[in-house]
Amino acid sequence: GQSLEQPSEVTAVEGAIVQINCTYQTSGFYGLSWYQQHDGGAPTFLSYNALDGLEETGRFSSFLSRSDSYGYLLLQELQMKDSASYFCAVRVTGAGSYQLTFGKGTKLSVIP
Amino acid sequence: KAGVTQTPRYLIKTRGQQVTLSCSPISGHRSVSWYQQTPGQGLQFLFEYFSETQRNKGNFPGRFSGRQFSNSRSEMNVSTLELGDSALYLCASSLGDRTSGADTQYFGPGTRLTVL
Repeated sequence: GQSLEQPSEVTAVEGAIVQINCTYQTSGFYGLSWYQQHDGGAPTFLSYNALDGLEETGRFSSFLSRSDSYGYLLLQELQMKDSASYFCAVRVTGAGSYQLTFGKGTKLSVIP
Repeated sequence: KAGVTQTPRYLIKTRGQQVTLSCSPISGHRSVSWYQQTPGQGLQFLFEYFSETQRNKGNFPGRFSGRQFSNSRSEMNVSTLELGDSALYLCASSLGDRTSGADTQYFGPGTRLTVL
């Protein structure tokens, strides 16, 4: 089966940098995605890493190490609106399967 | 382009009843996936439909079923509701391209189901 581990909660100060880690155990790994979900809202796509390395999109960056089965989401210049839950998700394949499996999410609280 | 829409947004049912939820994907998207979200279990994959066929299925009992229509709209049905079925049900649409893992899913706002 597949499993993803990420911290349940993280608190950081406005303007600071925060890193949310994700480790995974899967078979048929394709890539690692990150989604953001505000309370009462729908998950929205942030980034996708298929290859090792860092992908940068504005204030958000995502990193993947396939050999370590590890990735992280880096949020810079934190703003209050970044308070949300962040989910890592892996695309797994094999035995006719091709689905996104999500971690349980990390609730980020940004404080003044 | 309009986003993914789900109806109804809120639903209250009693144990033993059945419920049907609807999802309209983004225009041009042929894949619709359904997820159950609860505080304890996070987002759990229910099933995926592509071109009116169930292409993928998660680990849920047979009480959970779905279908997809020729216009890619999808419905999900839960029969014989149990208290534990109370959750936010999300659908997500995508192009359905399996040639890479970068088939981004776009989520609807969800249907909040409460079973009493």
